[in-house]
Amino acid sequence: DAGVIQSPRHEVTEMGQEVTLRCKPISGHNSLFWYRQTMMRGLELLIYFNNNVPIDDSGMPEDRFSAKMPNASFSTLKIQPSEPRDSAVYFCASRGTSPQYFGPGTRLLVL
Amino acid sequence: GENVEQHPSTLSVQEGDSAVIKCTYSDSASNYFPWYKQELGKGPQLIIDIRSNVGEKKDQRIAVTLNKTAKHFSLHITETQPEDSAVYFCAARQGADGLTFGKGTHLIIQP
Repeated sequence: DAGVIQSPRHEVTEMGQEVTLRCKPISGHNSLFWYRQTMMRGLELLIYFNNNVPIDDSGMPEDRFSAKMPNASFSTLKIQPSEPRDSAVYFCASRGTSPQYFGPGTRLLVL
Repeated sequence: GENVEQHPSTLSVQEGDSAVIKCTYSDSASNYFPWYKQELGKGPQLIIDIRSNVGEKKDQRIAVTLNKTAKHFSLHITETQPEDSAVYFCAARQGADGLTFGKGTHLIIQP
C-alpha cells in the first residue's frame, strides 16, 4: 500500500497567487481529512469528507479556502488568493474503519 | 467543541528510563483516543489508540491508559531508546468526526 499521497511536497508562491494542494487517499478509505499545522496553532482540522461529500468545513479559515473531492481517489485544497499567514504544513489524512493515516504533507510558503 | 490539553510540552529523559505524557479532553462524548508520533519533516504516524470502553492498552514498550471519569489519558513509553525522540500528539474524536489534537510533546532521549 502506497499510503496517502500528497503533492506537491513543497510550494513557494507569492502573495495573491492561487495555490492548489492535492491528495490521493489510501484505496478503500471512505473518509478524507485536511489539516493544517503551524507552530502557533498546532494541528487543526480544516475540513473532512465522507464518501466524497463534505461533512464539516467549520475549520476552513476563510472564503479564500476551498476543498473538493470529485471522486474517491482524489481531493484538492485550494487557496485563492494566498496570503503570508497561510504559510504552514498542510496534511491530508484518510480513514477506513477507525485509524486515520496521514500523508507526508505539503510545506507551503507564501512570500 | 472538543478541547485537548497536553503536558508537558517538552520532556527529556535518560535512555532506558520511562516517559509519560498526559492529556485531558473536555467533551465526554469523545470515544476514541489515538496517539501519533511525528518526526522532523514527516507526517504524524499512529503509534497506539484506545477506545472509551477500554481502560488500558499495551503494545510492546508503549501503553496508553484512559480514565473516562476524569477525562484524561496518558501515553507510557518504557525502556526509551534514541529512536523514540520525536514530537508526540494525543488526540480525541467523537464518532466519525475529525480529530482534535493536543499541542504536542517534544520527547528528547538523552544518551
